[in-house]
Amino acid sequence: QKEVEQDPGPLSVPEGAIVSLNCTYSNSAFQYFMWYRQYSRKGPELLMYTYSSGNKEDGRFTAQVDKSSKYISLFIRDSQPSDSATYLCAMITTSGTYKYIFGTGTRLKVLA
Amino acid sequence: EAQVTQNPRYLITVTGKKLTVTCSQNMNHEYMSWYRQDPGLGLRQIYYSMNVEVTDKGDVPEGYKVSRKEKRNFPLILESPSPNQTSLYFCASRSTGTEEQYFGPGTRLTVT
Repeated sequence: QKEVEQDPGPLSVPEGAIVSLNCTYSNSAFQYFMWYRQYSRKGPELLMYTYSSGNKEDGRFTAQVDKSSKYISLFIRDSQPSDSATYLCAMITTSGTYKYIFGTGTRLKVLA
Repeated sequence: EAQVTQNPRYLITVTGKKLTVTCSQNMNHEYMSWYRQDPGLGLRQIYYSMNVEVTDKGDVPEGYKVSRKEKRNFPLILESPSPNQTSLYFCASRSTGTEEQYFGPGTRLTVT
């Protein structure tokens, strides 16, 4: 079983829709949770990160972490065609090492 | 401009021919890391470095070497490349105290 599971998609939504992207994880040692966005032929860029359970909002983006269920989500409100990209969740364990574990990514296409 | 640069961007080589992919950052970041990205497997960490002369293995270190003699540079060395190392490679860096990694543009390596 992978430490981090993420639905690969692709996910197609109409412009203006609310998008929900999710990851589950199995390692209780994960302490930091991140979402990256990757456009085609580019390196990933950090969208949001958090280290506690609960919600964190930044503009149209909301990151949600539920440590008891080992589940994280990214919500995109009023989705735009420019949001079309691959979204990767990532987690870090800091107990003894500082390794990043990424999900496989979800491809999102927002249709104009 | 703050950035992470990688060279070369594209490389086709043959099995067994030693190669080095360079990575350089101009942000005075302590932490640097190498990843490979493969379809269906996502981003996997190869090696990381917390600072000069401090390196540690990520999830998939076999067949790779790294060195960190200077803060700005973190080359990835493939002593004897094999076809299963054909992949898209990313270098990343971040400052201590933040989780935001800055990724380079990627190096597409093909080993025949």
